[in-house]
Amino acid sequence: AQTVTQSQPEMSVQEAETVTLSCTYDTSESDYYLFWYKQPPSRQMILVIRQEAYKQQNATENRFSVNFQKAAKSFSLKISDSQLGDAAMYFCAYRSSGANSKLTFGKGITLSVRP
Amino acid sequence: EAEVAQSPRYKITEKSQAVAFWCDPISGHATLYWYRQILGQGPELLVQFQDESVVDDSQLPKDRFSAERLKGVDSTLKIQPAELGDSAMYLCASSFAGAGSPLHFGNGTRLTVT
Repeated sequence: AQTVTQSQPEMSVQEAETVTLSCTYDTSESDYYLFWYKQPPSRQMILVIRQEAYKQQNATENRFSVNFQKAAKSFSLKISDSQLGDAAMYFCAYRSSGANSKLTFGKGITLSVRP
Repeated sequence: EAEVAQSPRYKITEKSQAVAFWCDPISGHATLYWYRQILGQGPELLVQFQDESVVDDSQLPKDRFSAERLKGVDSTLKIQPAELGDSAMYLCASSFAGAGSPLHFGNGTRLTVT
């Protein structure tokens, strides 16, 4: 079974600075998808960024980018120019490319942003 | 922008009672998911539908939990009888078919069992 590990339970960043959230996963498959989701306090979970395993290029969405290391099974999220609104729980998630595959989440990391 | 609708937002029930949650996915989304999230942890999949068919319910405690999506649109998750350990956030999500399609989540139902 696939597992997703987020070993840092909490992180803190100064507003306008850059922070990197770590994630590793375990799989024997070669084709899959990786996601980062954001869950603000008392608000719904939303997609931050998505990476297809067959693409070598790291995904980027405005201030959010990933460092995808397929051989190392590592998928970290970098947030640049951190804003107060970035404070939330962040979840790394894995999904194989097979039909009816399920999305497996890590335990999450709580990010706080200091003004 | 279309959203996944869930109700109720909060539910308090006594143990051994029955409780039901409802979810209306985004129109056109064939896949519907029910997740359970314990405070401070990641969501855990309970059941996944493709249209009206269950494709994964391996983590659903079937002695007390049931889920249906009769017409392949909205869905109901039921717990009977509720236990103290069922206290959690129950999240519904939907997506287009395909593993690369991102999930869209509802606001969830916060269940407290007393």
